Parts: sequence; structure tokens; C-alpha cells
Amino acid sequence: AQSVSQHNHHVILSEAASLELGCNYSYGGTVNLFWYVQYPGQHLQLLLKYFSGDPLVKGIKGFEAEFIKSKFSFNLRKPSVQWSDTAEYFCAVNGLTGGGNKLTFGTGTQLKVEL
Amino acid sequence: GAVVSQHPSRVICKSGTSVKIECRSLDFQATTMFWYRQFPKQSLMLMATSNEGSKATYEQGVEKDKFLINHASLTLSTLTVTSAHPEDSSFYICSAPGDNQPQHFGDGTRLSIL
Repeated sequence: AQSVSQHNHHVILSEAASLELGCNYSYGGTVNLFWYVQYPGQHLQLLLKYFSGDPLVKGIKGFEAEFIKSKFSFNLRKPSVQWSDTAEYFCAVNGLTGGGNKLTFGTGTQLKVEL
Repeated sequence: GAVVSQHPSRVICKSGTSVKIECRSLDFQATTMFWYRQFPKQSLMLMATSNEGSKATYEQGVEKDKFLINHASLTLSTLTVTSAHPEDSSFYICSAPGDNQPQHFGDGTRLSIL
């Protein structure tokens, strides 16, 4: 079975601060990894994904994430956050061995960016 | 881009009522759709996989007789919460696989049972 752990449940930052949200997964095989964002009142949107290749992936809106296989981690980063980044962020994993298209989500991190 | 439409967005009804939620893929066909449930301040939990032309696959602990799923066509899946009770109140989200990402999500349905 696959599982995802997000360590930060609530994060409050000032504009221009740097962001790093932790994500660790548990799965014995090859995985695809994702970060989704849910802005207030909106549906989930894909921020970025890792399938293979360069472990440092760039996403939309200046976000990036690094896959560290030895640590089973896929942390999300942004050098300088904006007020508009206030949202809930979900890490997700799709185990490729029998996982199909099923995603397992972490519990989410609520980010609040203050002016 | 691919869009998934979910209807209704909000339902408030009395205990014992059955509620149907629709999930449509608007510009693509989806032989598979997924139904998730999200409790407040918790993650999305996969409830079941809806399969066009065959029975849905339910996750462990999800009552198939309580949450009826019908994948009537390549663009429509429905979730019916039968004889709903207050503990069924939740946020239900559907999704359908896309080409370059695993799933496109609907906007969700907020179900409140009084």
C-alpha cells in the first residue's frame, strides 16, 4: 500500500518569504509524484509532477519540487511567496505497480501568506 | 483543457433522503472516473473507481450499498448516497484521468444532511 505524509499542517508566511513544504511517501516500487493546490472556493489544480528524469521539477507560478529517492521525499519549494499563494497544498503519489491512476493524497498543508 | 463538471455543487437535505451527484467529462471520454470524499481539515480519501460498462471498484471500508455508483456512459458517472444520514455529510469530489496528468478534478459537492 502507498501512503503520503505531510508534516506541516498550517504554515503562515509573510510575502517574499521562502517556502518549503515537506512530503514523504511510503511505497516500495516506482512512483509518480504530484503537488496539487486548492485555492479558496476552487477545485484542485495540478502544480507540478514528477514521472522520471531530472529530480528537480519546475511547476507553475514559480513552484518547484525535488524528488529525493533515498529519502522518499518530494518537498515543494518557492523562493518568494505572494499573497495570492494562500491556499491548501496537497502532495500525492501514484504507485505504478498495480496503482493504475489511483492517487493517494497527503493530509494537506494550509498556507497563509500575509501582506 | 480537459474539464470535469460536477453537479450539484451543494446539497442540503433531510436525513433518510437519497442524493445523486453527477460527474461529467465535458470534452473527453473517460472510461474510468474516481470518487473521493474529503472531511474537514483532512485529505481526500478515495472511495471508489467508477468503470464504464462494469461494476465500480470500492475501497476497503466503503459500503457499496450505501454509495451507489453508475457509470452510464463514457462521459457520465453518478454517485448516489442512499438513505443519507448526518454522518454522510462531507465534500465529495470526482475526477477523471487525463492524458498528461493522472486526474482532472470536478469542483466538488458539499453535502449537508440535517
